[in-house]
Amino acid sequence: KAGVTQTPRYLIKTRGQQVTLSCSPISGHRSVSWYQQTPGQGLQFLFEYFSETQRNKGNFPGRFSGRQFSNSRSEMNVSTLELGDSALYLCASSLGQQINYGYTFGSGTRLTVV
Amino acid sequence: GNSVTQMEGPVTLSEEAFLTINCTYTATGYPSLFWYVQYPGEGLQLLLKATKADDKGSNKGFEATYRKETTSFHLEKGSVQVSDSAVYFCALIKAGTALIFGKGTTLSVSS
Repeated sequence: KAGVTQTPRYLIKTRGQQVTLSCSPISGHRSVSWYQQTPGQGLQFLFEYFSETQRNKGNFPGRFSGRQFSNSRSEMNVSTLELGDSALYLCASSLGQQINYGYTFGSGTRLTVV
Repeated sequence: GNSVTQMEGPVTLSEEAFLTINCTYTATGYPSLFWYVQYPGEGLQLLLKATKADDKGSNKGFEATYRKETTSFHLEKGSVQVSDSAVYFCALIKAGTALIFGKGTTLSVSS
């Protein structure tokens, strides 16, 4: 059974540009969450989608946005990139809204902003 | 608000030593508790979980017991291996919220 797939694995962008990251959840999983991981702040929650609806959002500026498609694949977009957006972005999928389902994480996308 | 506090690392051990990584949490009600592990260059893998007080999660020789009275979920392993070298994250979740992680503890095991 395929795991959570994130693409691309690595990205280098210039300050001011925008970027789109993709996440394909495990087949049958309908919930997708996004996290930002940095050495200073650790793992911080961005947002969560379930059945194409955003059901939870973290404390990030509006430059960070996401969406989920009918096949449960999700994308997150960061506009007007800043140096501080350099991070590992992790996606996690889950069967549904029951917290005890647990979350399976992808390997992440390493974004470097120069 | 809800939060997780982990012991600062790095933790450096010799192979076959006993491991304890402390984790305490702050939350109202009864969250579910998790330990995740992250190997270099990879995402997070669920190591074990406990969903109610006094539950013991276990996997691959690692154990943690959900202690409501001390709001703790300490990770233990009786005999670590070099392959256990990784970063370990304690986390909690409550219904309607996202996973909340501790800062992570780096474990380095030498042969």
